[in-house]
Amino acid sequence: EAAVTQSPRNKVAVTGGKVTLSCNQTNNHNNMYWYRQDTGHGLRLIHYSYGAGSTEKGDIPDGYKASRPSQENFSLILELATPSQTSVYFCASGETGGSAETLYFGSGTRLTVL
Amino acid sequence: GDSVTQTEGLVTLTEGLPVMLNCTYQTAYSTFLFWYVQHLNEAPKLLLKSSTDNKRTEHQGFHATLHKSSSSFHLQKSSAQLSDSALYYCALRKRNNNNRIFFGDGTQLVVKP
Repeated sequence: EAAVTQSPRNKVAVTGGKVTLSCNQTNNHNNMYWYRQDTGHGLRLIHYSYGAGSTEKGDIPDGYKASRPSQENFSLILELATPSQTSVYFCASGETGGSAETLYFGSGTRLTVL
Repeated sequence: GDSVTQTEGLVTLTEGLPVMLNCTYQTAYSTFLFWYVQHLNEAPKLLLKSSTDNKRTEHQGFHATLHKSSSSFHLQKSSAQLSDSALYYCALRKRNNNNRIFFGDGTQLVVKP
């Protein structure tokens, strides 16, 4: 089964600070995604990538940047963290199977911004 | 625009009773529909998927049938188990160059003894 690893599992940050969430996948998937999960809003797409060097904006990109330096790694960067970014963040990867692509999620990072 | 609607935020039922979680969608394109399940403190994972109209898809005791005429993909199970308690997401992906997947808001299923 596809393996997606996120770090850290938990993070407490201060308002205005910089936060980097990391994601690593070992299954050579081209596509990677960052979602945030909030009660009542489900999973909302922040940024995604089709391969190394590419990043695309999702539905809620404001306040976030993404970086895909390699096939395996995809980072989410909060340059100036705000309390509204307190959430659980999930990284996912997907095989390039077109419409039938299955997403494989990491275990999530719980971010608290004070 | 494209969207997925899960009308129930919370479904609570007694062990042994049937489960039905509603999912309807809106899109102008041919699509794939998915159900993902997330148990407490775990990652979401695929439960089942389909793109074939009126064909029943089954996995781990759950089943769903894509009905394009009503734009629905309801998740069902004949008899709920305590271990079915989880958050269930319905999701849609369009058949075009943009392989974006759209998730519903999720339905929390709580199964009680």
